[in-house]
Amino acid sequence: EAGVTQFPSHSVIEKGQTVTLRCDPISGHDNLYWYRRVMGKEIKFLLHFVKESKQDESGMPNNRFLAERTGGTYSTLKVQPAELEDSGVYFCASSHGQGVREGQNTQYFGPGTRLTVL
Amino acid sequence: DAKTTQPPSMDCAEGRAANLPCNHSTISGNEYVYWYRQIHSQGPQYIIHGLKNNETNEMASLIITEDRKSSTLILPHATLRDTAVYYCIVRVTTSGTYKYIFGTGTRLKVLA
Repeated sequence: EAGVTQFPSHSVIEKGQTVTLRCDPISGHDNLYWYRRVMGKEIKFLLHFVKESKQDESGMPNNRFLAERTGGTYSTLKVQPAELEDSGVYFCASSHGQGVREGQNTQYFGPGTRLTVL
Repeated sequence: DAKTTQPPSMDCAEGRAANLPCNHSTISGNEYVYWYRQIHSQGPQYIIHGLKNNETNEMASLIITEDRKSSTLILPHATLRDTAVYYCIVRVTTSGTYKYIFGTGTRLKVLA
């Protein structure tokens, strides 16, 4: 079974440019999460999709960030325009479900996308 | 916002048990404790989780104190490949979402 994949693995852009990160969850996982770690800080939650719907986007830092999951499969996270403080590693995770059956709730992480804004 | 506190680094001799402590004194009754590790440039890898009872799987054991304010991850026979950053995480539920609250992690170095 393929794990969570993310593309690109690295991205270097200039301040003010736009970048789009992609995440492909584990097949069959309805829940998709985005997290990020900025320099020197802990990994923090950004948002959660259930299928194509945003369940919780309370961690999104501001309106320069836009996440989509059209069709309920892969997800994209767009940063427009990028600022210096957006540099960090962006992780995607997926889980089968969220509910009573604990075995389905574990989140499996992708390798991350390292974003550098110059 | 971190709900967990871990020592920043630890060393362990190869073949010995590695015991990684975590404090989560503000944990609520329905919040689970998860452990993940991150090896070099990979993403966090799931190890084990629990609520109240001690848990064991093929990778590790998780010991949770009776008051649930702390836990210990045990790697019974550490190998060089276990060198990684280990994260103790509290899973909180808000707005119908299971969110992971990461701490700063413990950098474990297994020594030959």
